[in-house]
Amino acid sequence: EVQLVESGGGLVQPGRSLRLSCTTSGFTFGDYAMSWFRQAPGKGLEWVGFIRSKTYGGTIEYAAAVKGRFTISRDDSKNIAYLQMKSLKTEDTAVYYCTRDTVFGVAISESWGQGTLVTVSS
Amino acid sequence: DIQMTQSPSSLSASVGDRVTITCRASQDIVNYLAWFQQKPGKAPKSLIYSASILQSGVPSKFSGSGSGTDFTLTISSLQPEDFATYYCQQYNSYPITFGQGTRLEIK
Repeated sequence: EVQLVESGGGLVQPGRSLRLSCTTSGFTFGDYAMSWFRQAPGKGLEWVGFIRSKTYGGTIEYAAAVKGRFTISRDDSKNIAYLQMKSLKTEDTAVYYCTRDTVFGVAISESWGQGTLVTVSS
Repeated sequence: DIQMTQSPSSLSASVGDRVTITCRASQDIVNYLAWFQQKPGKAPKSLIYSASILQSGVPSKFSGSGSGTDFTLTISSLQPEDFATYYCQQYNSYPITFGQGTRLEIK
């Protein structure tokens, strides 16, 4: 069974950093692309970024709102995807989700984690 | 950025009804469109990709169609568990963008 579990969320002050983890099981992690999304309270879904598998170069795409502040990475030996967030702003407050995408380097989200809440507030 | 517009924003229907949700892209996205279902307080669930292909395990009561700029999600024979918010998403180009969501409520 495919499982994705996000962790690392919490309350953080503006300007500080936080790292989210997406721990996976039930599939060969290294074969799949992974994505991050977020959802602000009461709002719709927003794409954060996407990392391809090593087969497709491991390249990464970011949304403009987070580019330069957020970094997506992956550790294929641990089956974990990361979202490093720096210079956090109050508008980054949201539930953050990771998804398992396809083996073809295309950002089609197949499975979702349960999400982790990040609250940016002083 | 490609803008995705869903209609209606909300919809009331009864158990057993068939409903259709429309999603329009601001430019041609071929068939690079996905649909998601989200229930309150829960993570989204992937329903459809490539405009019409059901994700594994998704019942055939869900169907998608369209290409270019106009797409539809149809849900037949609504059951209580189908009442949720539905989102379309384009992945033709970055940034990936979503529609604003359609809230499907019980009449």
